[in-house]
Amino acid sequence: DIVMTQNPLFLSVTPGQPASISCKSSQSLLHSDGNTYLHWYLQKPGQSPQLLIYEVSSRFSGVPDRFSGSGSGTDFTLKISRVEAEDVGVYYCMQGVYLPLTFGGGTKVEIK
Amino acid sequence: EVQLVESGGGLVQPGGSLRLSCAASGFSFSTNWMNWVRQAPGEGPVWVSRIDTDGSNTKYADSVKGRFTISRDNAKSTLYLQMNSLRGEDTAVYYCVKDRHWNSFDSWGQGTLVTVSS
Repeated sequence: DIVMTQNPLFLSVTPGQPASISCKSSQSLLHSDGNTYLHWYLQKPGQSPQLLIYEVSSRFSGVPDRFSGSGSGTDFTLKISRVEAEDVGVYYCMQGVYLPLTFGGGTKVEIK
Repeated sequence: EVQLVESGGGLVQPGGSLRLSCAASGFSFSTNWMNWVRQAPGEGPVWVSRIDTDGSNTKYADSVKGRFTISRDNAKSTLYLQMNSLRGEDTAVYYCVKDRHWNSFDSWGQGTLVTVSS
């Protein structure tokens, strides 16, 4: 199985400050079709996960532009340019190339 | 608006069975792959199973292979998960999830709790 490793496990951020989450996969997520199927989700407290970023860097509908994704191969990053109170929750990366589909262990973001 | 409403969860003894349902609305159900994802208390999400548009192709996590069966009824816009030989480690919230494209999950239900305990 593909192992997805996220760092850090926990982030405490002052509102208005940036935040960055790393996600590394045990194998390249570059598919033979040329696309890279690495997705990011946010699970807010008490809610179901929601899609933030798909295919490394494409923001899903309605996601604020303070969220951005980057990376290639096995190394990926989610950045929040200016953290807001509504951004608290657990962020997960997920690979969509290999079965079984696998998630990272999660990064919990709280507001200072 | 996309809606995914799961039902069928509950308390079941080890070795027992449950059938989960997911009623879908607000999108063209028959043209989307669908998945089940579970999340044990305090843990991260874990993919369980996937089904293609007409039900002819199904995939499972090794942990549930041979015990769980995913299916769908496109006429009723409903997704199912038949769970047999349940174990304590199957205890989790089970989410019905819509696949936008290439395993990016753009809509999640509210989840249904399955508790396996004697």
